[in-house]
Amino acid sequence: EIVLTQSPATLSLSPGERATLSCRASESVRNYLAWYQQKPGQAPRLLIYDASNRATGIPARFSGSGSGTDFTLSISSLEAEDFAVYYCQQRYKWPPLTFGGGTKVEIK
Amino acid sequence: EVQVLESGGGLGQPGGSLRLSCAASGFTLSNYAMTWVRQPPGKGLEWVSSLSGSSDRTYYADSVKGRFIISRDSSKNTLFLQMNSLRAEDTAIYYCAKSKSPGNTDMIFDYWGQGTLVTVSS
Repeated sequence: EIVLTQSPATLSLSPGERATLSCRASESVRNYLAWYQQKPGQAPRLLIYDASNRATGIPARFSGSGSGTDFTLSISSLEAEDFAVYYCQQRYKWPPLTFGGGTKVEIK
Repeated sequence: EVQVLESGGGLGQPGGSLRLSCAASGFTLSNYAMTWVRQPPGKGLEWVSSLSGSSDRTYYADSVKGRFIISRDSSKNTLFLQMNSLRAEDTAIYYCAKSKSPGNTDMIFDYWGQGTLVTVSS
């Protein structure tokens, strides 16, 4: 099973600041990594797939990078609606499909 | 407009059964791989089961293998999850998720339902 480790667990930032979230895989997942955003009481929302492709309707301030075992989700300038929990997910080797434990981006 | 809507959650007894449904609209469910993902209260996402789009192949997490069955009714454009031998650790919100591309199993989830809460308790 491929384990995804997200860091930090919590990121405290102010609106307008840049957010950098990390996802590390226990073995290579090539570029088969996605990022999801989840707000309280809501379903997850696809942001990025295949490491760097923005999903339909996702603002350009969200970007993804990385390959192999190290991946980054960046939010260039945080807006109020971006404070949420973010999960990474690999689809390279499954079953099982695996998710990271999540990073909470909170208002400082 | 693409939508998926889960139903069937509620209180289940340990050792009992529940059947979840996921009604799809705006797309032909049988053309896409469909997946159930669960989230225990206050915790992260856990993959449960997937059904491929074109081959009817099924996949299960070890934690539910032999207890849960994923299926679909193409005439109703609906996905199901039959949950048997329920355990306390099955307590979670269960989400139905659609794969982004038609075909077998791309496992990129572009549409999610709002979820249905399953609570297993005596």
